[in-house]
Amino acid sequence: EIVLTQSPGILSLSPGETATLHCRASQIRTSYVAWYQQKPGQAPRLLIYGAFSRTTGIPDRFSGSASGTDFTLTISRVEPEDFAVYYCQYYASSQYTFGQGTKLEIK
Amino acid sequence: QITLKESGPTLVKPTQTLTLTCTFSGFSLNTYGVGVGWIRQPPGKALEWLALIYWDDDARYNSSLRSRLTITKVTSKNQVVLTMTNMDVVDTGTYFCAHKSPGSGRTLEYWGLGTVVSVSS
Repeated sequence: EIVLTQSPGILSLSPGETATLHCRASQIRTSYVAWYQQKPGQAPRLLIYGAFSRTTGIPDRFSGSASGTDFTLTISRVEPEDFAVYYCQYYASSQYTFGQGTKLEIK
Repeated sequence: QITLKESGPTLVKPTQTLTLTCTFSGFSLNTYGVGVGWIRQPPGKALEWLALIYWDDDARYNSSLRSRLTITKVTSKNQVVLTMTNMDVVDTGTYFCAHKSPGSGRTLEYWGLGTVVSVSS
């Protein structure tokens, strides 16, 4: 069973700064990692799939990268609307595993 | 435009069976590679995937909950139904359904707004 560990748990930044969110997988066979943004009372919003690909309509300040079992979501020049909880997800062999989330909060 | 909407009871008693319905539009669950899944979220906690059913009736489950879950589709009604047996207070949370696009590299992209389920005697 794959376990995803996200870090940090809470990230405090000011608008305009760069956010770097991490997701480490206990084991991995593919790059089928996605990133979601969730705001209070809302459904998650898919940002990145396949580790690197942005979903249609997602601003290019959001980018995904990978190195082995480590996956990263980078938000360049954080905007006020970006403050939310972010989840990584591994999907392969028809199994979907989520990380525990990183809260991006205003400093 | 793809939309999904969850419906079901807001309150169930411990040991009861929960039945949730996802009613969707904008796509067909007859289309090759398409799937609809269920995900839940306890209050203040992380997302947990529960189950997913594909266009060809192939059903996949979270291994830790497999014995309690059944997912089925009613293609003619554009609905997917999830049943969860032996409900417990720890099953309280928001339950979402979501659309999976065709292709092995695609995941759950379109989500419903969720439905809140409370388990209490």
